[in-house]
Amino acid sequence: GAGVSQTPSNKVTEKGKYVELRCDPISGHTALYWYRQSLGQGPEFLIYFQGTGAADDSGLPNDRFFAVRPEGSVSTLKIQRTERGDSAVYLCASSPPGSSTDTQYFGPGTRLTVL
Amino acid sequence: KQEVTQIPAALSVPEGENLVLNCSFTDSAIYNLQWFRQDPGKGLTSLLLIQSSQREQTSGRLNASLDKSSGRSTLYIAASQPGDSATYLCAVHNTDKLIFGTGTRLQVFP
Repeated sequence: GAGVSQTPSNKVTEKGKYVELRCDPISGHTALYWYRQSLGQGPEFLIYFQGTGAADDSGLPNDRFFAVRPEGSVSTLKIQRTERGDSAVYLCASSPPGSSTDTQYFGPGTRLTVL
Repeated sequence: KQEVTQIPAALSVPEGENLVLNCSFTDSAIYNLQWFRQDPGKGLTSLLLIQSSQREQTSGRLNASLDKSSGRSTLYIAASQPGDSATYLCAVHNTDKLIFGTGTRLQVFP
């Protein structure tokens, strides 16, 4: 079946602009995760959804970052007043119902560049 | 705070060699440990997942071991091939999130 998809694959924006990044998880997966990967680093956790609610948003760096998952499927990561330091690859992952410690399946990521 | 370290940071070997990649973590209270592969400009592909109660997992030419008490895992790659060239990431599952190391960049040359 289809894997996790993310759109856009690349996003270039100017400092101060607002951006939205979209994630479509694997059908039937109830858990959804956002990570951020800076150049030369491993991914860092941002937020975890179980269904529609954010079960853990402790990784969001500040209040410019916000994520929603209104119907328990697609999720959108929103970044306000972008800064050059927000440039990174944003990865989304999902995992099936039953356990939050199951394998996470990752999408290809969105490369965000803030000029 | 859980910290994950991977050594070496980079490795270049001729085809056919057997390899060992190392991963260490500071907090042994983990649910499981996963090894991922990442190709340039791509997402992560899960290679092996070892539950905290397990000692090792094998898939084809890959074998991963886990020593939770000492906070270590190794990924063994047998008979390496140029197609194995990629970055290998280990991640520990800590409550509801994965905590990643910085990866080992592997190049296998013909």
